Amino acid sequence: EVQLVESGGGLVQPGASLKLSCVASGFTFSDYWMSWVRQTPGKTMEWIGDIKYDGSYTNYAPSLKNRFTISRDNAKSTLYLQMSNVRSEDTATYYCTRDRHGYKSYWGQGVMVTVSS
Amino acid sequence: DIVMTQTPSSQAVSAGEKVTMSCKSSQSLLYSENKKNYLAWYQQKPGQSPKLLISWASTRESGVPDRFIGSGSGTDFTLTISSVQAEDLAVYYCEQYYDTPLTFGSGTKLEIK
Repeated sequence: EVQLVESGGGLVQPGASLKLSCVASGFTFSDYWMSWVRQTPGKTMEWIGDIKYDGSYTNYAPSLKNRFTISRDNAKSTLYLQMSNVRSEDTATYYCTRDRHGYKSYWGQGVMVTVSS
Repeated sequence: DIVMTQTPSSQAVSAGEKVTMSCKSSQSLLYSENKKNYLAWYQQKPGQSPKLLISWASTRESGVPDRFIGSGSGTDFTLTISSVQAEDLAVYYCEQYYDTPLTFGSGTKLEIK
């Protein structure tokens, strides 16, 4: 059974950094592109970016490229999202997804990030 | 960026009725080399994460009931539920994966009368 379990969220102050993790199981992690997607409190879905199966290539939403970094550790079957200089508008539920040709075939349960002083 | 427009924003139907919802893209999602439309539909039930229903505009995922039907091509797409069940209460999102940044529609909330 495919499982994606995100962690690392919580309450964070504006301007701080935060690193989210997503541990994958039930499939060969190193065979798949992976993505991060976030959903705002108003339920808007926003693609953050993705990473190639071997970690050699990443794509980002232009608006987030300068502050967010996606990486992976295939030996640990773990996907990461490093967030820096967070803002109130980064408040959202963050999902990691397993991708296939670009669409998201599996989603994690999500992790909430709240940016507030 | 490709803008995805979903209508209606919400819809209330009775169990057993047929429902259709629309997703329009600001540019064509049809890739000429393989004749595929890069459009997916997701279902998000209350309190849950999204679930993939349909890829390539009309390919139902394994295990998805056949009452869910995706259709359309180019810039106009439709998700039809042929006979709505109570468990179909959810928000339905379309997503284009034709070009980065990948973009989602704002969703159609399906309510059961």
